[in-house]
Amino acid sequence: QKEVEQNSGPLSVPEGAIASLNCTYSDRGSQSFFWYRQYSGKSPELIMFIYSNGDKEDGRFTAQLNKASQYVSLLIRDSQPSDSATYLCAVILFSGGYNKLIFGAGTRLAVHP
Amino acid sequence: DVKVTQSSRYLVKRTGEKVFLECVQDMDHENMFWYRQDPGLGLRLIYFSYDVKMKEKGDIPEGYSVSREKKERFSLILESASTNQTSMYLCASSDNRAFFGQGTRLTVV
Repeated sequence: QKEVEQNSGPLSVPEGAIASLNCTYSDRGSQSFFWYRQYSGKSPELIMFIYSNGDKEDGRFTAQLNKASQYVSLLIRDSQPSDSATYLCAVILFSGGYNKLIFGAGTRLAVHP
Repeated sequence: DVKVTQSSRYLVKRTGEKVFLECVQDMDHENMFWYRQDPGLGLRLIYFSYDVKMKEKGDIPEGYSVSREKKERFSLILESASTNQTSMYLCASSDNRAFFGQGTRLTVV
């Protein structure tokens, strides 16, 4: 089992719709969770982080964390073509006495007009 | 804003060359990471460092080494470059939230 798993997509949504991106992780001890956006040819950009169970909202983005189910999601409301990118889920795992930042393979999102 | 700077945006090296990739951060972060990113494989952790002169292997350390002589600088070394090390290399610096450099696209011919 991979430490951080995401559906590779592509996830295709119409402009104005809600895009829902999902991520599961294997380490129950994980405490910190992140969503990055990566445009083609660019480096990842941090867009959301969440540490506690529940929802965290920032503008059109909402991160949801359910530690019991080992599940973290990202909702993008009112999706725009400019949101088309690969979204990477990342988790800090405590391994070997150190914190490792591990990424999922990413979900490609395509927002069409 | 956090700034993470990688020394080169593009590099072309020959098989067998020793290659140095440099990364500098300006936020006094203790943790720094090197990843490579390949299509379909996502970001894979090569090495990370949690303090000066301290380093730990990530998931794919073979063929690589690292150096962290100063807190702000974390170098990735390819001892003898091979064609299967052609990739995008990304450095990150973290205070819990990680911030990335612009990436180095390395081609080994």
